[in-house]
Amino acid sequence: DQQVKQNSPSLSVQEGRISILNCDYTNSMFDYFLWYKKYPAEGPTFLISISSIKDKNEDGRFTVFLNKSAKHLSLHIVPSQPGDSAVYFCAAIWRQGGSEKLVFGKGTKLTVNP
Amino acid sequence: GAVVSQHPSRVICKSGTSVKIECRSLDFQATTMFWYRQFPKQSLMLMATSNEGSKATYEQGVEKDKFLINHASLTLSTLTVTSAHPEDSSFYICSASRGQGKGYEQYFGPGTRLTVT
Repeated sequence: DQQVKQNSPSLSVQEGRISILNCDYTNSMFDYFLWYKKYPAEGPTFLISISSIKDKNEDGRFTVFLNKSAKHLSLHIVPSQPGDSAVYFCAAIWRQGGSEKLVFGKGTKLTVNP
Repeated sequence: GAVVSQHPSRVICKSGTSVKIECRSLDFQATTMFWYRQFPKQSLMLMATSNEGSKATYEQGVEKDKFLINHASLTLSTLTVTSAHPEDSSFYICSASRGQGKGYEQYFGPGTRLTVT
């Protein structure tokens, strides 16, 4: 049962344009969301996060939007750069018994063309 | 800071043998380490959480006798896949956290590609 869904396995964007990566979740108990970026042969690196009490968080070229009623979040990258080409994972925090764990989506491979 | 290494980066082993994967936090003390598995085109799935000096907590469906986890020090955790079979072939990633189970403070290793022939 995939609780965090990234329905687009890949996305191709022209350099300078906006990249929009989408993520849906099913568990209303999730209250913190993160985006990770992963290059081949490397582990995921934290990119940006958002708490459920907010609907937007911005960090430079990266902005994450959260729509709680729709259980949907998106990552916007603008302007997109070739170096942004990577796999992007959406993740949610699952809290249980005092511990926390990450629940990941399947990832979206972003290709930014020069 | 917050660098996590894994060794080996890739390993091929024969069916029935065991293989050990190491995860090290190089520049910080990791109170908690996590082990994930990723099949092709799938998400990272948490296998187990380990706290230094105590037994690992395994996720549902993960066999603790098959995937032995040892978190012997604050900088090292090992995952041993015992009696490996071809279906164990996967990408194994560890992460380390300074906090006690703080999911959003995890730093990931580069992963280990295991192929069982």
